[in-house]
Amino acid sequence: GQNIDQPTEMTATEGAIVQINCTYQTSGFNGLFWYQQHAGEAPTFLSYNVLDGLEEKGRFSSFLSRSKGYSYLLLKELQMKDSASYLCAVRDPLINAGKSTFGDGTTLTVKP
Amino acid sequence: SQTIHQWPATLVQPVGSPLSLECTVEGTSNPNLYWYRQAAGRGLQLLFYSVGIGQISSEVPQNLSASRPQDRQFILSSKKLLLSDSGFYLCAWSGLGEYTDTQYFGPGTRLTVL
Repeated sequence: GQNIDQPTEMTATEGAIVQINCTYQTSGFNGLFWYQQHAGEAPTFLSYNVLDGLEEKGRFSSFLSRSKGYSYLLLKELQMKDSASYLCAVRDPLINAGKSTFGDGTTLTVKP
Repeated sequence: SQTIHQWPATLVQPVGSPLSLECTVEGTSNPNLYWYRQAAGRGLQLLFYSVGIGQISSEVPQNLSASRPQDRQFILSSKKLLLSDSGFYLCAWSGLGEYTDTQYFGPGTRLTVL
């Protein structure tokens, strides 16, 4: 099975940098996703990592260490609109099923 | 481009009443389809997924069922709703995109069972 851990809540200041961690214990690994979910809305895709290292997309970056079962999402130059829940999801090892297991999410509050 | 639709957006139903939620996808063929439920302040619980027409896999035992009568249509049903069925229901699809198996979510249905 899959077990995914994320902090429940985080608070940061507008303009700052915040790092949201995700650790996982899985029976297989085929990649890790990060999604953003604003309150009352559906999740939207942010990033995907399958190899070790850092993937950068504008203000958002995602890092993966497969040997440590660890990932983080880094948000730079925080804006008020970044207040949302951030979901870590591990792709199921059964490729043809296309499934992912989601963590419970980290609720980020950005304050002025 | 691909789009995913869900309806209704909100629903209030009495305990014991039936349920039918519909999801359709446009702009892609043979997608994998998923139904999730999200309780308030919690993560996504996968309820059902489908890799093709008529192929349904259930992830958790419950009084809900799913069907896929057409390639891009996915339906979530119940014969008798329970209070515990309240939640935010999300349909998603995945397929061959920039990143295979990235899931794209519909707008969701907020269900309240009274």
